[in-house]
Amino acid sequence: EAQVTQNPRYLITVTGKKLTVTCSQNMNHEYMSWYRQDPGLGLRQIYYSMNVEVTDKGDVPEGYKVSRKEKRNFPLILESPSPNQTSLYFCASNLGGAYNEQFFGPGTRLTVL
Amino acid sequence: GENVEQHPSTLSVQEGDSAVIKCTYSDSASNYFPWYKQELGKRPQLIIDIRSNVGEKKDQRIAVTLNKTAKHFSLHITETQPEDSAVYFCAASKGQNFVFGPGTRLSVLP
Repeated sequence: EAQVTQNPRYLITVTGKKLTVTCSQNMNHEYMSWYRQDPGLGLRQIYYSMNVEVTDKGDVPEGYKVSRKEKRNFPLILESPSPNQTSLYFCASNLGGAYNEQFFGPGTRLTVL
Repeated sequence: GENVEQHPSTLSVQEGDSAVIKCTYSDSASNYFPWYKQELGKRPQLIIDIRSNVGEKKDQRIAVTLNKTAKHFSLHITETQPEDSAVYFCAASKGQNFVFGPGTRLSVLP
């Protein structure tokens, strides 16, 4: 089944404790993105990747890191999480070119205390 | 950078009526405009999209119109059904940089 998976789905952590949210897609998509969703603000793009080892900042990259060492994986790293990073996070992938439909993962709800 | 506004923030319609959601964008270089539907507790899913070289696109009860000059695009849902109740997001993009609107919560009342 073609899908985007994220882990963990739920995470409660404390300020300053490094964490990684994994994202994987099995559709051989070139492009992957991370978004955060907050009430009243919609989805805001954090980072995106056009290919292995090629990433770029979205609109809200501060406090986040990403890496794309393999085509299928695009982890999101919070090296020193803060309470304002409490949010619902979505990973997405798309084929690119004429096919820009983004396929979203199930979401990761992160709480930083 | 790009800024996308979306109105209304909430919309209630009677079953069978039409619903219209409007979005404006600021960057004339944006060339792809998707609409996503997000049901409660679920992930966003694409319902329709339009590119900047097209003025209108229709898929059964759903249509999208784009006015590049005015930099606005709209989602039209006809013959609404209770299962259309959800949050709808518009977005504008150039390349892989996607900017979403804040969302419209649509409620279809039986």
